[in-house]
Amino acid sequence: SQQGEEDPQALSIQEGENATMNCSYKTSINNLQWYRQNSGRGLVHLILIRSNEREKHSGRLRVTLDTSKKSSSLLITASRAADTASYFCATLGGSYIPTFGRGTSLIVHP
Amino acid sequence: SQTIHQWPATLVQPVGSPLSLECTVEGTSNPNLYWYRQAAGRGLQLLFYSVGIGQISSEVPQNLSASRPQDRQFILSSKKLLLSDSGFYLCAWEGRAGVEGEAFFGQGTRLTVV
Repeated sequence: SQQGEEDPQALSIQEGENATMNCSYKTSINNLQWYRQNSGRGLVHLILIRSNEREKHSGRLRVTLDTSKKSSSLLITASRAADTASYFCATLGGSYIPTFGRGTSLIVHP
Repeated sequence: SQTIHQWPATLVQPVGSPLSLECTVEGTSNPNLYWYRQAAGRGLQLLFYSVGIGQISSEVPQNLSASRPQDRQFILSSKKLLLSDSGFYLCAWEGRAGVEGEAFFGQGTRLTVV
């Protein structure tokens, strides 16, 4: 069964705008990760945030984690057309198996 | 550096035919290995995972099986494919020292059963 659930399922924005995607999960985790998938390709790891961290940055990416609400958000600032992709959150709990949500499809219009 | 190879990239197979998808990892030892399936527009469903040679855990009962004959080789098989086996199959490894849970994916195999 899927642990993380992203929302929205689809997001369409203009280049230069910020994109925010959310992920909710159900059980306790060791860490949470965000991945990107271009159409028809494998997933690429973007960023990992540990359960004792609240915020993390990597370039134009900002991830927050609220373990009390069992939720995370991924913010992409100043989006570009090349950011068009699907974005997945994955949680790692006691089983040490990455468990993925259904993803958010992001379209950035030039 | 570590790399993961998955092949073939695309495959069209008739119903009832056998299947063998192969995944190999380079540059690391004793990785955890995973097979996921992704239906169109859906998330990733974990099919199998392996923590060592000959050790396979199945997450969902189905028409598929997996084997790990060598430390860095993971094979997904079926004796007789069903239409419902169509999908995008992804192999992944995990186990980079100090970064538990960070998974690295192959490029995927698009399987169409006709």
